[in-house]
Amino acid sequence: AQKVTQAQTEISVVEKEDVTLDCVYETRDTTYYLFWYKQPPSGELVFLIRRNSFDEQNEISGRYSWNFQKSTSSFNFTITASQVVDSAVYFCALSESTWDNYGQNFVFGPGTRLSVLP
Amino acid sequence: KAGVTQTPRYLIKTRGQQVTLSCSPISGHRSVSWYQQTPGQGLQFLFEYFSETQRNKGNFPGRFSGRQFSNSRSEMNVSTLELGDSALYLCASSLTDSLVVETQYFGPGTRLLVL
Repeated sequence: AQKVTQAQTEISVVEKEDVTLDCVYETRDTTYYLFWYKQPPSGELVFLIRRNSFDEQNEISGRYSWNFQKSTSSFNFTITASQVVDSAVYFCALSESTWDNYGQNFVFGPGTRLSVLP
Repeated sequence: KAGVTQTPRYLIKTRGQQVTLSCSPISGHRSVSWYQQTPGQGLQFLFEYFSETQRNKGNFPGRFSGRQFSNSRSEMNVSTLELGDSALYLCASSLTDSLVVETQYFGPGTRLLVL
């Protein structure tokens, strides 16, 4: 069975600090997909990144960067020079590839609430 | 492209009633998934529909049901509401025309309060 763990329930940082959100996953599949979503107070989940299990390249997008390490089953997310607008709940999610019926079943971690203080 | 839309945004019901929530996916997306989000249980997968067929189902009682129409719009229904059904119900759509797991894009959610 697939599982996602986000050990950090809440994190508070002061603006301009760097912060890393941890994500550890469990899966028996060799083909799987990992995602990060942001949920601001409005409630809508905003897609940030998608990564498949065959692509271990780290990625940088502006102030955001992701470190994918299959050896430790981790997919961590770093925000550089955090801003107040980054305050939100961040979810890591895992979806195994279901070859039999092509269906999707996303499993989400419990989320990490990030508060960036001015 | 317009995003995923959900109606209504807020709903108040009493125990025992039933409720129907609606979701319109992004144009061209054929897969619609539903999730329940509560403070205690987090985000939990309800079911996924593709081409009017339920492809996957989470671990929820039969009071939770859904359907998808030929235009990919989806509805979910909860019958005999219980207090514990109070939650944010999120709908997500994706392409899933291939074996590749596609990104799910979420709507703003319907916040249901059961009194």
